[in-house]
Amino acid sequence: DSGVTQTPKHLITATGQRVTLRCSPRSGDLSVYWYQQSLDQGLQFLIQYYNGEERAKGNILERFSAQQFPDLHSELNLSSLELGDSALYFCASSPTGSTEAFFGQGTRLTVV
Amino acid sequence: GESVGLHLPTLSVQEGDNSIINCAYSNSASDYFIWYKQESGKGPQFIIDIRSNMDKRQGQRVTVLLNKTVKHLSLQIAATQPGDSAVYFCAEGGYSGGGADGLTFGKGTHLIIQP
Repeated sequence: DSGVTQTPKHLITATGQRVTLRCSPRSGDLSVYWYQQSLDQGLQFLIQYYNGEERAKGNILERFSAQQFPDLHSELNLSSLELGDSALYFCASSPTGSTEAFFGQGTRLTVV
Repeated sequence: GESVGLHLPTLSVQEGDNSIINCAYSNSASDYFIWYKQESGKGPQFIIDIRSNMDKRQGQRVTVLLNKTVKHLSLQIAATQPGDSAVYFCAEGGYSGGGADGLTFGKGTHLIIQP
């Protein structure tokens, strides 16, 4: 158990819909990262938050957004969903100054 | 664009043998490199990292080698066990503003252990 909790584990939704994925980082970790894993694109960095502030953006679509709350949990919002958004979405957290990122179990999103 | 990649999508080894998984990277400005292991149905799990100013680092049964001249990274697993069966990813990262940046991952090598 990495200490990072993601909910829900599975999500099935229709095209055009909007979903919210939730992540609770390890206790004390200020950095939260979101990644997308798909068969064709592999593991891709989407966005990073540090202590409530957006810190870096990777390959995140404009239809996607995220936020980190004062209690450090984070949410990833995916809107106007397309079939190609079907993927595993991982959240990871990291202690300040460490290279080690701890990944959650992921949320498997299926868009039908 | 810059990327991190792997040479082989699948590697099959006999139980008890040593495994060597390779990775080529292109971003010479990365501050560190990491190997992750991902078992089926789970998130990636940190194995070992190496700073860009190092050539070799050893952990428990694992060794990572970094050759900056040819931009090559390898993971050696000694005495491979059935529990080592997984997909292995190399990743590169940097630091800015006091925290680690998001990682750039390679495509992964599936390590299969033959009994």
